[in-house]
Amino acid sequence: DIQMTQSPSSLSASVGDRVTITCQASQDISNYLNWYQQKPGKAPKLLIYDASNLETGVPSRFSGSGSGTDFTFTISSLQPEDIATYYCQQYDNSLVTFGGGTKVEIK
Amino acid sequence: EVQLLESGGGLVHPGGSLRLSCAASGFTFSSYGMSWVRQAPGKGLKWVSAISGNGVNTYYADSAKGRFTISRDNSKKILYLQMTSLRAEDTAVYYCARGRSSPGFWGQGTLVTVSS
Repeated sequence: DIQMTQSPSSLSASVGDRVTITCQASQDISNYLNWYQQKPGKAPKLLIYDASNLETGVPSRFSGSGSGTDFTFTISSLQPEDIATYYCQQYDNSLVTFGGGTKVEIK
Repeated sequence: EVQLLESGGGLVHPGGSLRLSCAASGFTFSSYGMSWVRQAPGKGLKWVSAISGNGVNTYYADSAKGRFTISRDNSKKILYLQMTSLRAEDTAVYYCARGRSSPGFWGQGTLVTVSS
């Protein structure tokens, strides 16, 4: 099975800061990588699909990049409403794997 | 408006069975693969199972293989997850989601607690 290593597991940043989360796949997954946001007590929400495509309605401060095994998720200017846990997810084969999550907090 | 409403969760003893349902509305159900994803209390997301739009192809995580069965009734627009031989480690909120590879819309989840 493909393993997804996400880092950091948590981070604290100030409003307006640039925030970066990385996800590494245990093997080449091309661009079959999504990013989700989950706020406390809520269902996950798809933000980025196919590594770099912004889901409709998602603010442009969110972005994704990468291919192969290394991927990056960026919030260009952290806002208070961005407090959440973020997950990467691969779908290269018929099985799906999530990263361990990154909890983002305001400093 | 797209809606997914899970039901069927509850308290079950170890070794017991439970069937989860997910009622879909607001989209052409048969056109979409569907998924079940779970989240243990305080933990991350774990993919459980998925099914193609026509119900022919099914996929399972190793932890679900042989114990869980995913199915769907496209005439009723309902997704199911039959769970047997339940263990304490199956305790989680179970989400159904629209999409097989890239679940783009999720229900609010149903809690399954496996405990004696």
